[in-house]
Amino acid sequence: GAVVSQHPSRVICKSGTSVKIECRSLDFQATTMFWYRQFPKQSLMLMATSNEGSKATYEQGVEKDKFLINHASLTLSTLTVTSAHPEDSSFYICSARGGGGGGAPDTQYFGPGTRLTVL
Amino acid sequence: GDSVTQMEGPVTLSEEAFLTINCTYTATGYPSLFWYVQYPGEGLQLLLKATKADDKGSNKGFEATYRKETTSFHLEKGSVQVSDSAVYFCAVNSGGSNYKLTFGKGTLLTVNP
Repeated sequence: GAVVSQHPSRVICKSGTSVKIECRSLDFQATTMFWYRQFPKQSLMLMATSNEGSKATYEQGVEKDKFLINHASLTLSTLTVTSAHPEDSSFYICSARGGGGGGAPDTQYFGPGTRLTVL
Repeated sequence: GDSVTQMEGPVTLSEEAFLTINCTYTATGYPSLFWYVQYPGEGLQLLLKATKADDKGSNKGFEATYRKETTSFHLEKGSVQVSDSAVYFCAVNSGGSNYKLTFGKGTLLTVNP
């Protein structure tokens, strides 16, 4: 139980285009989802916390107009990187807080990640 | 705020060796403690957790005990395998409205045959 999927797993795009990444909780309802960014050989950096039906809460230094987050349902959150540039290239990982039919409410369950490369 | 200090790697061991990865934390109240594992090119997988003092989390031969008096949650395994090669993250969650996690910097473990 408590499985989280991400799509796509890998995306390559041209500079200036927008890219959407989906995060789904497959067997439970997630009122809260999180988006992280991970640079090579580094820990995870929390970008934002997403609550279903409300605006995301962004961490300090994260541009909310560049990284658009939508959490329209209890099983889906999306991250859109707008007007992507090479410096946005990174590994993006989502997680979902357990509860709602699967997992423990004090635990985050992670997706497999999305590798974004901006040319 | 919460913080996690984790043993810096990389750690290189031979198969069947004993593993310890140290983790200490600062947090308010009574946090839950976690170890996550990340295999190359993948997301994080929950390895084990403990939610109160003296609890021992265990999974796949790994163990960690919640020590409130020393604010520690060290990860141990008696006999590592090549397949255990990965990055291990210690994390703390002190609750709050969204249950944010605070991660350590991660420890790269390489197990040689």
